[in-house]
This record gives sequence, structure tokens and C-alpha cells, in this order.
Amino acid sequence: EAQVTQNPRYLITVTGKKLTVTCSQNMNHEYMSWYRQDPGLGLRQIYYSMNVEVTDKGDVPEGYKVSRKEKRNFPLILESPSPNQTSLYFCASSSRQGSSYNSPLHFGNGTRLTVT
Amino acid sequence: GQQLNQSPQSMFIQEGEDVSMNCTSSSIFNTWLWYKQDPGEGPVLLIALYKAGELTSNGRLTAQFGITRKDSFLNISASIPSDVGIYFCAGNYGGSQGNLIFGKGTKLSVKP
Repeated sequence: EAQVTQNPRYLITVTGKKLTVTCSQNMNHEYMSWYRQDPGLGLRQIYYSMNVEVTDKGDVPEGYKVSRKEKRNFPLILESPSPNQTSLYFCASSSRQGSSYNSPLHFGNGTRLTVT
Repeated sequence: GQQLNQSPQSMFIQEGEDVSMNCTSSSIFNTWLWYKQDPGEGPVLLIALYKAGELTSNGRLTAQFGITRKDSFLNISASIPSDVGIYFCAGNYGGSQGNLIFGKGTKLSVKP
């Protein structure tokens, strides 16, 4: 089954304790992205990756890191989490069509992170 | 940066009623997408629009890509309880998926 898999689904941690949220897709998609969803703010892009070893900042990258060493995986790293990073996080992927990345995004089921 | 204005923010309707929501932008978009998010899950694509004026249906859902390329609407006819969720519009203005931006969502509640 084609899917985007995020782990963990739920995570409670303390301020300053490094954590990684994993994301894996089995559709051979070139493009992957991380979003955070907060009440009243919708989905905001954190980082995205056009292909292996190519990453770029989205709208809200502060406090986050990503890496894209393999096509299927795109982990989100919080080196020193803070309470304002408490949120619902989504990973997404899509394929590339010719020179554009116009195909729709496929989303994972989300990771609910609480930082105390 | 670029922004999408999605309205309404929330809707409370009776089962069987029709629903309409829309998104507008100050910029011209190349693609409009509509997603639905069920509670506890990630957004799922409902309809994708790639051409100005395009009108596309998916069951009881109909969406249109505005002629000006700055707006899109989504209609749901004869709503049912499972239509409950958050609906997001998303637009792509640069040809690169990295420039896909989302509206803030319309939360739909349906009373049986």
C-alpha cells in the first residue's frame, strides 16, 4: 500500500531534550516536506526537499533541522525543543512530473508533539 | 509571504444541506488543490485543479479554478455526517511544489 509513515504518532518530551520524528514514503517520490498544524494557523511549511541531499527552508524553519540522505526518508530533528514547538506535525511527499512538482501531496497521519 | 484567505472559518449545517467554501489569493496560482482532514489523520486530497476555469467533480464535491487564477471554490452537495472535518485549500504559484501554500481551513460540522 502506498503510504507516508511517520513515527512516533504521539510524543511528550521536556524542554531541551533532542528528538527526531521519522518519515518514510514507499512511493519513490522525489519531493518531501514537513508541516506543522496549529489551531487557527492552518498548515505551515517547516522544511522541504526536492530530492536526495537537497533541502530548503519553508515558512517556519527556526528550531528545526532535516536531512535527506535517502530518497524514502526525511527525518525532522529538534535539537533543543521548546514549548512553542508543541504542535501537530505532518510529513508529506509527492512525485515530480517533468520539470515541475505539480502533483498533489500525500500526507502521513501526523505526530502530536508536546514539549513541557 | 504569499497568503491564502479561506472562508468561512467554520460552518455548522444540517444534514442534507449544500456547502460552499472558497479561497482567494493576491497572487496568480498555477494549481489549486482541495484537501479534507478527518480527526486524528492527515489531509487527504479531494480535488486537484490545474487550469483556469476548470470545473471538476468528485462525487458530491465540485471545485472550480477561478478565471482570474486568484481564487477557487469547493461545493459539497447534500451533506452527510461523514463530511465532518477540516477542509483546506492549497495553491501553487511557482511551478515548484516547494511553493505550495495552504489556507487556514474550514471546519465543517454536520448535524444529523
